[in-house]
Amino acid sequence: RKEVEQDPGPFNVPEGATVAFNCTYSNSASQSFFWYRQDCRKEPKLLMSVYSSGNEDGRFTAQLNRASQYISLLIRDSKLSDSATYLCVVNTGNQFYFGTGTSLTVIP
Amino acid sequence: EPEVTQTPSHQVTQMGQEVILRCVPISNHLYFYWYRQILGQKVEFLVSFYNNEISEKSEIFDDQFSVERPDGSNFTLKIRSTKLEDSAMYFCASSEDRVDYGYTFGSGTRLTVV
Repeated sequence: RKEVEQDPGPFNVPEGATVAFNCTYSNSASQSFFWYRQDCRKEPKLLMSVYSSGNEDGRFTAQLNRASQYISLLIRDSKLSDSATYLCVVNTGNQFYFGTGTSLTVIP
Repeated sequence: EPEVTQTPSHQVTQMGQEVILRCVPISNHLYFYWYRQILGQKVEFLVSFYNNEISEKSEIFDDQFSVERPDGSNFTLKIRSTKLEDSAMYFCASSEDRVDYGYTFGSGTRLTVV
């Protein structure tokens, strides 16, 4: 069973749309959770940490459901510059486990 | 903004040769990592390093691989006797804290084994 599973997409949405990505993780002992963004052939960049209470950073909202072992990312008012691959990342022990990523393309 | 610096950005090597990938982590970070990403695949953990020793390694990180922090700033990944399947993007990362903070990744070294 994969440590982290994501819908690979692709998601193609018009500018201004709201889009949501989901992620599940297999290890209930996982300690911390993140969303990273990766542009083509670039390094992953931390988008935001995910807290149990849910957290928001501008147009981005992340939620964590420990009981269901489920993480989500909501992007409101999509911009062209949001086009990228979004990686769900789970820390278990001293390792970060990456999902395969969800591809987003925002269309003018 | 502090950066993790990796050199070279692209390395081409012949099968069977040894390569050393170099990284300069962020100066006040204590934990260091190597990850790799084969083209089109997910990012995979190789090794973590703390207090001058390996703290954890994956199944990928076999005897072919080694890491070193030769001085106070550099963190290197050595791959001995490279194979075609070692071709990948290798990312170095560092973090201030083991768990709570996300990593800062370097821009990566693209290794091509021919």
